[in-house]
Amino acid sequence: AQKVTQAQTEISVVEKEDVTLDCVYETRDTTYYLFWYKQPPSGELVFLIRRNSFDEQNEISGRYSWNFQKSTSSFNFTITASQVVDSAVYFCALSESNQGGKLIFGQGTELSVKP
Amino acid sequence: DVKVTQSSRYLVKRTGEKVFLECVQDMDHENMFWYRQDPGLGLRLIYFSYDVKMKEKGDIPEGYSVSREKKERFSLILESASTNQTSMYLCASTIFAGGHNIQYFGAGTRLSVL
Repeated sequence: AQKVTQAQTEISVVEKEDVTLDCVYETRDTTYYLFWYKQPPSGELVFLIRRNSFDEQNEISGRYSWNFQKSTSSFNFTITASQVVDSAVYFCALSESNQGGKLIFGQGTELSVKP
Repeated sequence: DVKVTQSSRYLVKRTGEKVFLECVQDMDHENMFWYRQDPGLGLRLIYFSYDVKMKEKGDIPEGYSVSREKKERFSLILESASTNQTSMYLCASTIFAGGHNIQYFGAGTRLSVL
C-alpha cells in the first residue's frame, strides 16, 4: 500500500537558519512521482517540485534543494538561509503511475521562521 | 496561469443542511479532485472526476457526493451535513490522468458545521 510519512509535525527556526523537512514514502510501484507543495496562510497549495522514480539527481532551486534517495525511500527538502516568508505548511505527496493521478499526501510539516 | 476558484472561503452550516461546495477551473483540465484537510491527517481524497458526468470514489467518500455537469465545474455535495464534516475542503485540477501531472489547487473552503 502507498503511504507518505512526514514525521515532523512542527518546526520552528530563526531566520537565516537552514532547515530540512523529512519525507519518507512507501510504494510497490516501480514508476512513481514525488511532489512537494507549500501551503501559506492564504490556504492555496503551491506546487514546488516533482521528481520521478527514475531520476535520483538532487535538485536545487535558489534557496531550496531536494534530496531523493530510493535506497531509503526518502525525498527530503532543505531550505537554506530561511526567511520569514518561508513560514507555511509543507506537504510531500506520492503519485503512482497507474492510479489516475491521485496524490497520497503526508501529514504536513508546519514551518515557522521567526525574525 | 492556471486558476482554480472555490466559491466560498468560509461557510457556516447547521447539522442536517444540504451543502454545496463549488469549484471552477479555467484551463480546460480533464481531471478534478476534492480533498479534505484535517490537522495531523494531511489531505485525503474524497472524490475525483476524469470527465464530464464521470466520478470516482476516493479514500473517504462516505457522506459526500459530487456533480460534474460541465468540464470546468466540479461540485462537492454534503447531503446532510454533520459536525464531523467540519474541515478545510480543497479542490484541485490537472490536465489529464497520469501520475506525473501537477495538480493545481484552489484556496480552499473552511466549512464549520454547527
